Amino acid sequence: GENVEQHPSTLSVQEGDSAVIKCTYSDSASNYFPWYKQELGKRPQLIIDIRSNVGEKKDQRIAVTLNKTAKHFSLHITETQPEDSAVYFCAASIGYSTLTFGKGTMLLVSP
Amino acid sequence: EAQVTQNPRYLITVTGKKLTVTCSQNMNHEYMSWYRQDPGLGLRQIYYSMNVEVTDKGDVPEGYKVSRKEKRNFPLILESPSPNQTSLYFCASSLTVLSTEAFFGQGTRLTVV
Repeated sequence: GENVEQHPSTLSVQEGDSAVIKCTYSDSASNYFPWYKQELGKRPQLIIDIRSNVGEKKDQRIAVTLNKTAKHFSLHITETQPEDSAVYFCAASIGYSTLTFGKGTMLLVSP
Repeated sequence: EAQVTQNPRYLITVTGKKLTVTCSQNMNHEYMSWYRQDPGLGLRQIYYSMNVEVTDKGDVPEGYKVSRKEKRNFPLILESPSPNQTSLYFCASSLTVLSTEAFFGQGTRLTVV
């Protein structure tokens, strides 16, 4: 089955810096790659996603890039703010199959 | 308000005592699934359902059962809970399995002693 590796497991940045979280996947048939944000004590919520026919997608301060050849995708957060502090999960899926999540990255943004 | 509702939010139980965690969605979603979240392991899928009466195993189904008798409900059943099932459980739903967003319930923190 699909295997998703996520790095780093923790990431500390200063407010205003950029943050990058990287994921790799194993199955070249995967075609959907969402990112979820989970604030402390809350449920995961979708923040951005990308499909395999697109190389990059941006939504305000967050962007996701996908390299199908290398089988990796990344989340980029610019101008980080303290409210960006959370656990971020990447995931991958293949068509009708189900989401396989990475193990998560705890992002801490210090004022 | 569109939502996925789980009950209970917190549960402490003893080994071997059957329990059910309920999940209900009011968005007429076809696809529902259960995940468990453990420190350092992320979210792992337990079971999923593509529609009424259609269920299948996820990555960690051992010790769990599910049913999907109606579209809105997808209960998770632990017939004989064990301490290694102590975890944070999330139910999620999406319009179809190909939909872009999974909506998560608020979570159920289960402790088995």
